[in-house]
Amino acid sequence: SYELIQPPSVSVSPGQTARITCSGDALPKKYAYWYQRKSGQAPVLVIYEDSKRPSGIPERFSGSSSRTRATLTISGAQVDDEADYFCYSTDSSDNRVFGGGTKLTVL
Amino acid sequence: QVQLQESGPALVKPSETLSLTCSVSGGSITSYYWSWVRQSPGKGLEWIGYIYYGERTTHYGGRTKYSPSLKSRVTISLDTSKNQFSLNLRSVTAADTAVYYCTRDRPGVIPYFDYWGPGTLVTVSS
Repeated sequence: SYELIQPPSVSVSPGQTARITCSGDALPKKYAYWYQRKSGQAPVLVIYEDSKRPSGIPERFSGSSSRTRATLTISGAQVDDEADYFCYSTDSSDNRVFGGGTKLTVL
Repeated sequence: QVQLQESGPALVKPSETLSLTCSVSGGSITSYYWSWVRQSPGKGLEWIGYIYYGERTTHYGGRTKYSPSLKSRVTISLDTSKNQFSLNLRSVTAADTAVYYCTRDRPGVIPYFDYWGPGTLVTVSS
């Protein structure tokens, strides 16, 4: 089955840039999406179609994709950005697939 | 504003069937795709399956698609009169303990989940 691979954790100091990667063989042909999930809350979409930001999402969140890797970048990370981040896409059979998630620590 | 709310038992015994319902307000369930997603403790998000009941569907009760890993145990159905859709997961084990979310799938080049319920924790234990 199709997999999206993420690092389990990323840690940065406040104000630094956090980069979270997502690797998948189909990403050259499929968009990547990014969800933020804070403890006890439902996931929130922070990036769609590789690099677009939904309304209400701070400008410090950005996304990019190259070949088989998509990247979520948080420029000037804040303590409030601590959360689990999941990439999402679909496989060739229209199955919805999430990455394993990356725990972002900002301290 | 679309709102979703999951409901159902918080505790299910092993080998029994987990049943959850999602009530949708602010929009008709006969449009869009509707999915169930779960997150087990210490694990990532897992898509369970979707259901769609649109004008062009020829399948009474909606068209469904399930995750290959859960397909043998899952049924998703909808009740247009109540604007609800439901999840049945059979023969559960402790591995099915998770927070279960119902979601709306926004159509696009790749459909994605734009509205989520708050989630409900279901524990499988005797």
